[in-house]
Amino acid sequence: EAEVAQSPRYKITEKSQAVAFWCDPISGHATLYWYRQILGQGPELLVQFQDESVVDDSQLPKDRFSAERLKGVDSTLKIQPAELGDSAMYLCASSLALWDSNTEAFFGQGTRLTVV
Amino acid sequence: GQNIDQPTEMTATEGAIVQINCTYQTSGFNGLFWYQQHAGEAPTFLSYNVLDGLEEKGRFSSFLSRSKGYSYLLLKELQMKDSASYLCAVRDSNYQLIWGAGTKLIIKP
Repeated sequence: EAEVAQSPRYKITEKSQAVAFWCDPISGHATLYWYRQILGQGPELLVQFQDESVVDDSQLPKDRFSAERLKGVDSTLKIQPAELGDSAMYLCASSLALWDSNTEAFFGQGTRLTVV
Repeated sequence: GQNIDQPTEMTATEGAIVQINCTYQTSGFNGLFWYQQHAGEAPTFLSYNVLDGLEEKGRFSSFLSRSKGYSYLLLKELQMKDSASYLCAVRDSNYQLIWGAGTKLIIKP
């Protein structure tokens, strides 16, 4: 069964260091999402891509976060410098296309980030 | 602003039935999703509603009333493995997913 691949599963980093997460969506999925989820809360959208274009990055803290999806397939989310408040689960999800309203988003296993 | 409300936590007994409600206020509506999320894991898709009425899928059913901005997820014959958080999400007029905070469901023997 096709799935969204994310790595690493767990990451511990010191504050002020740089950290990067990788996501490979399900083949053929044009829409890719990066979410941050704090324990006990729903996913918070950081950035949404349609192919290689950013559709929504209004909630992305652009002074420290960046995301790219250069060839419209896999994607990288970077934090530099990391802060203690960045500790959370970072989830990647993909769906067929932005405009297909009845297609669900499929999630990867996530990266649990701990900043110390 | 856009808002989705769900109860924070619910408790139910194994074998019983539980209904998890979700109310929403969004800029337009292009469908409502329910996801299940076990602790420390990623959300998994449960159901999708875009028209009013009930969608049944095994032990799980989901209901939608667009005029009331209301949905519920009904879980029957509860099993211990149903202990999880249940997330309600609405796709708005810009096809963006708006997420609720989730309802933590605790199943007791």
